[in-house]
Amino acid sequence: AQSVTQLGSHVSVSEGALVLLRCNYSSSVPPYLFWYVQYPNQGLQLLLKYTTGATLVKGINGFEAEFKKSETSFHLTKPSAHMSDAAEYFCAVSEANYGQNFVFGPGTRLSVLP
Amino acid sequence: DGGITQSPKYLFRKEGQNVTLSCEQNLNHDAMYWYRQDPGQGLRLIYYSQIVNDFQKGDIAEGYSVSREKKESFPLTVTSAQKNPTAFYLCASSKGGLAGGNEQFFGPGTRLTVL
Repeated sequence: AQSVTQLGSHVSVSEGALVLLRCNYSSSVPPYLFWYVQYPNQGLQLLLKYTTGATLVKGINGFEAEFKKSETSFHLTKPSAHMSDAAEYFCAVSEANYGQNFVFGPGTRLSVLP
Repeated sequence: DGGITQSPKYLFRKEGQNVTLSCEQNLNHDAMYWYRQDPGQGLRLIYYSQIVNDFQKGDIAEGYSVSREKKESFPLTVTSAQKNPTAFYLCASSKGGLAGGNEQFFGPGTRLTVL
């Protein structure tokens, strides 16, 4: 069965600092991996996804993530945090034999300090 | 513009009442989903539908019901049997098929409060 863990329910960084949000997954088959962002009282917006091919994936708003099969990880990074990055971030996994159904991680709330 | 709409944005219900949350999409997606979000628990799948006139229970279907009579619509009814319905409800859709890898698109959500 699929599962996702996100280390750290709350991460704080200073404006301009590196953002690193951790995601580890468990999957019995090659996974598809996603990062979503959620602003307060809104729906989720896709940041980026990994399906096949290049393991370094670039997304919107300057975010990127690297799929590391040996570490079963898909950590999200951004070189320089902006105040507008403050939000909740969710990692999700789906499998080829499970249709379009996702399993979401519990989320990490990112705070950006001035 | 294509997208997913949910209504209402805020909903208040008295205990013992059934309420229906609306979800409409014009993305021509085959698959649609309902999630419940509680603080610190991420998203939990209530029901999903891969095609019109067919739907399956998710992880927390008890106390909820759905219908899928049209491709673009997937309403969720929260029944009086749901013991703790106060939550944020999110509807999503995606291209269908079993191959996987298609992202889900989310609506803006409905916040339900039981008084």
